[in-house]
Amino acid sequence: GQNIDQPTEMTATEGAIVQINCTYQTSGFNGLFWYQQHAGEAPTFLSYNVLDGLEEKGRFSSFLSRSKGYSYLLLKELQMKDSASYLCAVIESNYQLIWGAGTKLIIKP
Amino acid sequence: TAGITQAPTSQILAAGRSMTLRCTQDMRHNAMYWYRQDLGLGLRLIHYSNTAGTTGKGEVPDGYSVSRANTDDFPLTLASAVPSQTSVYFCATQDDSGGGADTQYFGPGTRLTVL
Repeated sequence: GQNIDQPTEMTATEGAIVQINCTYQTSGFNGLFWYQQHAGEAPTFLSYNVLDGLEEKGRFSSFLSRSKGYSYLLLKELQMKDSASYLCAVIESNYQLIWGAGTKLIIKP
Repeated sequence: TAGITQAPTSQILAAGRSMTLRCTQDMRHNAMYWYRQDLGLGLRLIHYSNTAGTTGKGEVPDGYSVSRANTDDFPLTLASAVPSQTSVYFCATQDDSGGGADTQYFGPGTRLTVL
C-alpha cells in the first residue's frame, strides 16, 4: 500500500545542520516534493526531485534515491525562522500527491 | 495579486448543519484541490478538479461535495456536518502545464470546528 514515513519531531541548534529523512512506498513515482509549513499557516513549496541526486537551493538541499525509496531535506546554517514542519509528498503514477505526516523541526538557540 | 483566498478563516458549526467553504484563485490554474489536515496525519485529499466542469473524489470524500462552475472558484460543501469533520481545510491549485508534476500552491486554510 501507499506509505510515506518521516520522523515526527526533530530538534536542532541554531547555526547547525539538520537532515530530515523521508522514505516512501507508493504506486509508481513521478517526483517528490518538500514543503515547509509554519504553525497556523499554509504549506509552501521548497523543492522538487524527480531524478536521483542532490538538488541545492541556498541553505536548503534535497536528495533523492528512487531505488531506495528515500529522500532527505538538508538544512544548513539553521535560523530560528526555520522552526516549522517539513512535509514530504510523492507524486504517484496517476499524478495524485501522497503526503507524509510531516516532521516538526524545533530550533534552539 | 491575491493568489488563493479561502473563506471563512475559521468557523464553529453545530453538528447537522450545512456549510460551504469557499476557495477562489486568480492564477488561472486548471487544477484545484481540497485537503484536510489533522494532527499526526498527512494532508488528505477530499476532492479535486482537473479543469472547470470536472470533479473527482480523493482519499476521503464522504460527507463532502464540490462543484467547479468556472476556473476561479472551487467551493466545498458539508451537507450535514459531524464532529469528525473538525479539521483545517486547505484549498490548493496547480498549473498543470508541466504534465501533472507541477507545484501545488495552497490557500491560507479554514479552521472548522464541529460541535
